[in-house]
Order: sequence, then C-alpha cells, then structure tokens
Amino acid sequence: SVLLYQKPNRDICQSGTSLKIQCVADSQVVSMFWYQQFQEQSLMLMATANEGSEATYESGFTKDKFPISRPNLTFSTLTVNNARPGDSSIYFCSSEGTGEDTQYFGPGTRLLVL
Amino acid sequence: QQKVQQSPESLSVPEGGMASLNCTSSDRNFQYFWWYRQHSGEGPKALMSIFSDGDKKEGRFTAHLNKASLHVSLHIRDSQPSDSALYFCAASDSGSWQLIFGSGTQLTVMP
Repeated sequence: SVLLYQKPNRDICQSGTSLKIQCVADSQVVSMFWYQQFQEQSLMLMATANEGSEATYESGFTKDKFPISRPNLTFSTLTVNNARPGDSSIYFCSSEGTGEDTQYFGPGTRLLVL
Repeated sequence: QQKVQQSPESLSVPEGGMASLNCTSSDRNFQYFWWYRQHSGEGPKALMSIFSDGDKKEGRFTAHLNKASLHVSLHIRDSQPSDSALYFCAASDSGSWQLIFGSGTQLTVMP
C-alpha cells in the first residue's frame, strides 16, 4: 500500500486569490491523480500527473485554473487559481500502490472560498 | 449521462442484516471495477477490486461482476454500525488507472 499526506487539511480563502495544496507519498509512485468532491457527492477526476511531464487534464478542468506540478516521484501540488465560491469542495490526491491493482487516497483538503 | 451509475441512492439495514449495493456501467471500455468506502471526513478507502466475471469474497464483503451486462454488485453480510458510510463503485479501462466513480450509495446500519 501507499500512504498519502495532504497539506493543508482545510483552508478558507477569499474569491480571486490562489491557494496551493500539497500531496506527499510515503513511497515512490508513478502516477498521482487529483480528484474533486462536492459535499457527499461523487468524486470527479481532475487530472493525472506523472513525473517529468505535464499533467493531463480531464474535461472541465484546465491547466490555467488548476495547475499541477509533479517534481519527483513522491510529491505533487495542485494550485487553485482565481478561486471562486464554486470551487469550494474537497480535493483529494491519489496514487496506485506499487505493484498493486488498487488506488489509494489522501485524507483530502477541504476548501471554502468566500 | 453518468458513465457509472449506482443504486440505491441510500440504504438502511438493521445491524446483522445484509446490505446489497448495485452499480452499472454504460461504457464497455470499463473492464475493471472497485468498491470504495468513505466515512465522513475521510478519504475513500478501497474495499475490493473485481476484474473477472463471478463472485469475489473478502470477509463479510462479496462482490459480483457480470461483464456482459456491465453490472457489479456488493453484498455486505452481518452489517455493523461501523459499516455506515458512503459507498462508491469505480471503474477503469485497461491500464489507465484513471478511476471513474459512481454517484455513491449512503449506507446506514441501525443498531
């Protein structure tokens, strides 16, 4: 298995500002994923991040709005630019377990945009 | 239309009872399925994966997959109050590792 840590646990920010969410894995992983979840609803895949390459974004999510970095095999950051109240949700990072068929999730970052 | 649909939306069962959750995919590219459980305030945790037709049992949990109908189910026997959570079905096509989640089933186990 792999353990994922996210920082911050929660954040409150004003509309128009940017904030950064960090994800750290306790072992090297090939791919990291970012998901968005509105209150007790489904999880939506935002993007896939592999080391050394640009993140691949899903429909409805853009690099300008949600830039993602993946500088090494244990770390990724998601930035929310020009935050709006509609961005208020929980953001999760995830990755596959080494040699496993299961994806593991971090504890999530709860974002409230005022 | 959502590619992975779950039913029921919510479910209440008595402690010790059987809970049955359903999931159907509308995309035949999805050949791999997982069940995840999410307790309030936490991240989703994988319960089990199922990739082949038939049943897969892990403790009190049994998953069943029918690839022809793209239907997967999860049965929880001897349900416990600690099983109360949001359950998600997730699907993926071959090798992508990108999970598409269903809308979820809120399970409540009543003591």
